[in-house]
Amino acid sequence: AQSVTQPDIHITVSEGASLELRCNYSYGATPYLFWYVQSPGQGLQLLLKYFSGDTLVQGIKGFEAEFKRSQSSFNLRKPSVHWSDAAEYFCVLQGAQKLVFGQGTRLTINP
Amino acid sequence: GAVVSQHPSWVICKSGTSVKIECRSLDFQATTMFWYRQFPKQSLMLMATSNEGSKATYEQGVEKDKFLINHASLTLSTLTVTSAHPEDSSFYICSASNRGQGADQPQHFGDGTRLSIL
Repeated sequence: AQSVTQPDIHITVSEGASLELRCNYSYGATPYLFWYVQSPGQGLQLLLKYFSGDTLVQGIKGFEAEFKRSQSSFNLRKPSVHWSDAAEYFCVLQGAQKLVFGQGTRLTINP
Repeated sequence: GAVVSQHPSWVICKSGTSVKIECRSLDFQATTMFWYRQFPKQSLMLMATSNEGSKATYEQGVEKDKFLINHASLTLSTLTVTSAHPEDSSFYICSASNRGQGADQPQHFGDGTRLSIL
């Protein structure tokens, strides 16, 4: 079965603090994985993607993610968050025919 | 980079009206596009896969006569919500990928359409 789990529905961090958003997946083959960000009332913007190769992937806006096959995880990280990072974040798996979405994690930034 | 344009961004209409939403790939050809529905504070739910030149493939539970999809060209797919009712109010998002550059291309999403039925 194909699935993506984001354990944290809502996370609040202070501006300037580090961030890690968790993502676990279930897939029978090597997965294609993505992180997307959605601001309120907007579509989804691609932050980064993993297809193969280096397991540490760099994305836009200072984000990175690490693919760990042994843990079936693809956690998103940022060393220092900015107020503009407040948004909804989706971990997404490219399944055989379609995308499989995590439930999303809403990130709130405290000033 | 690949861009997907969705129009309109917001529509408010009376119950019983049919509403058409357009999804365009601006700088690439998309043989397949996807239509999603998103309820407040929830993830995206795939409604259907739009295939250029053939019938759309609908997900289980999605009424194909209610949500008409047409993919008449390689750059345009339309979703028509027929005889819309308040329960159809939602945020609709389309996506497409530039498979012409390889099978590993990510999906690019439109900015979504907020549909409000009065």
